[in-house]
Amino acid sequence: GAVVSQHPSWVICKSGTSVKIECRSLDFQATTMFWYRQFPKQSLMLMATSNEGSKATYEQGVEKDKFLINHASLTLSTLTVTSAHPEDSSFYICSARAVAGVLETQYFGPGTRLLVL
Amino acid sequence: GQNIDQPTEMTATEGAIVQINCTYQTSGFNGLFWYQQHAGEAPTFLSYNVLDGLEEKGRFSSFLSRSKGYSYLLLKELQMKDSASYLCAAMDSNYQLIWGAGTKLIIKP
Repeated sequence: GAVVSQHPSWVICKSGTSVKIECRSLDFQATTMFWYRQFPKQSLMLMATSNEGSKATYEQGVEKDKFLINHASLTLSTLTVTSAHPEDSSFYICSARAVAGVLETQYFGPGTRLLVL
Repeated sequence: GQNIDQPTEMTATEGAIVQINCTYQTSGFNGLFWYQQHAGEAPTFLSYNVLDGLEEKGRFSSFLSRSKGYSYLLLKELQMKDSASYLCAAMDSNYQLIWGAGTKLIIKP
């Protein structure tokens, strides 16, 4: 299957700092990538859809000025959590849309755990 | 509105068979996906159904009935490593995945 990487896997930072998370599709080109957040024992929550070369589409309730998304190439999307606060501590997971014939699915990166102190 | 329903938790015995059900309501339909998520890890793709019927892949099978808005994931010969959450997701007419909350499967020896 398709491989998606995320970096870093773990981040611990002080309140008020900004954190950048990278998502890469390693063996395929992804015109669309998705950013999810998952709090402990809760389901995945879609934050935004990232399209290469255009602005991201944010879900209702997600602050676009706080969660900056840049999809600069067909294999890279970045999520920057600006001025992070303890309530932003979560598991952030990206996925990339892959199309093979009639099958269109999403492959997930391994996730990034963010802890804001 | 769009909605996915699946049981919150199920328990089964090692070596047995378990069926995890999922019902969905979406605006349009472009397929039904099952993902496995172990605790602390990201989801991994298990199966995709877009036509009615059963798709078998080793110990895992997935079934779809579009007229009933219903799918199930069947796990045979359960192993302890199958303890995980199983996420059902339906793709709507915009090719967006609508996620269920996941079913936590507990395997007992």
